[in-house]
Amino acid sequence: DTAVSQTPKYLVTQMGNDKSIKCEQNLGHDTMYWYKQDSKKFLKIMFSYNNKELIINETVPNRFSPKSPDKAHLNLHINSLELGDSAVYFCASSAGGSSPLHFGNGTRLTVT
Amino acid sequence: RKEVEQDPGPFNVPEGATVAFNCTYSNSASQSFFWYRQDCRKEPKLLMSVYSSGNEDGRFTAQLNRASQYISLLIRDSKLSDSATYLCVVNREGGKAAGNKLTFGGGTRVLVKP
Repeated sequence: DTAVSQTPKYLVTQMGNDKSIKCEQNLGHDTMYWYKQDSKKFLKIMFSYNNKELIINETVPNRFSPKSPDKAHLNLHINSLELGDSAVYFCASSAGGSSPLHFGNGTRLTVT
Repeated sequence: RKEVEQDPGPFNVPEGATVAFNCTYSNSASQSFFWYRQDCRKEPKLLMSVYSSGNEDGRFTAQLNRASQYISLLIRDSKLSDSATYLCVVNREGGKAAGNKLTFGGGTRVLVKP
C-alpha cells in the first residue's frame, strides 16, 4: 500500500539515450511534483502538476518532458541524456494549499 | 542570497544531549513551513509542520520567527536514530495559477554519537 511509488529505483544508461521514470500516487492528491537532488544534496523543484495541468516548470531543459495521463500519475521522460543529468529524481504529491509533500523513494539515475 | 539557507553541519551531538539549529528564508511572502528528515540514500519524510505559535512533537520543538525570517528545530534527549539530515522547507503559495512553490534548504546534518 505504498503511497507514492516510482520506478525504476536505479537507472544506469549511456549519454545520448532516452529514458523514462514513472510515478504513481494512491493518496488521492491533486498535485504532483518532480524534484532533482544533485550530488550536493540540494533538492530542486523541476515540475509541478495540478490535476494533470502543468503549473510549475522551473527552467528545466526541454529534454525533460513530464506527462500526466491522470492526476494519479506523473511520468518524466528525458531525451538525449547528459552526464550532468546524473542525480536522484524524486516524485512527490500533496493535497495542495499548505499541505506537506509525500515523496516516492527516488530514482537514482547514473549517466555514463 | 539563497531563498532558504541552512548550516550544513555536521552537528556532532552526544547521545542524550540537546541540539538546535535554524533555517533562514528570504521571501517574506512565505506562508507555510516544514521540517523534513532525510536519511542517507532515502527519500525526505515529513518530520513536522511549523506553526506560528511554535509547536512540539515529543522530543522535537519547532519555532517560527517571522520578524527575523527564520525557523528553528530543537531536539531534546538525542537518540542515535536521530542521526539524519534535517531539511527546512518553505512554501510560497501562489494559488492555482502559479502553484505552491516549496523550496528546500540544503539540509543540516546531525550525527548523534554514543
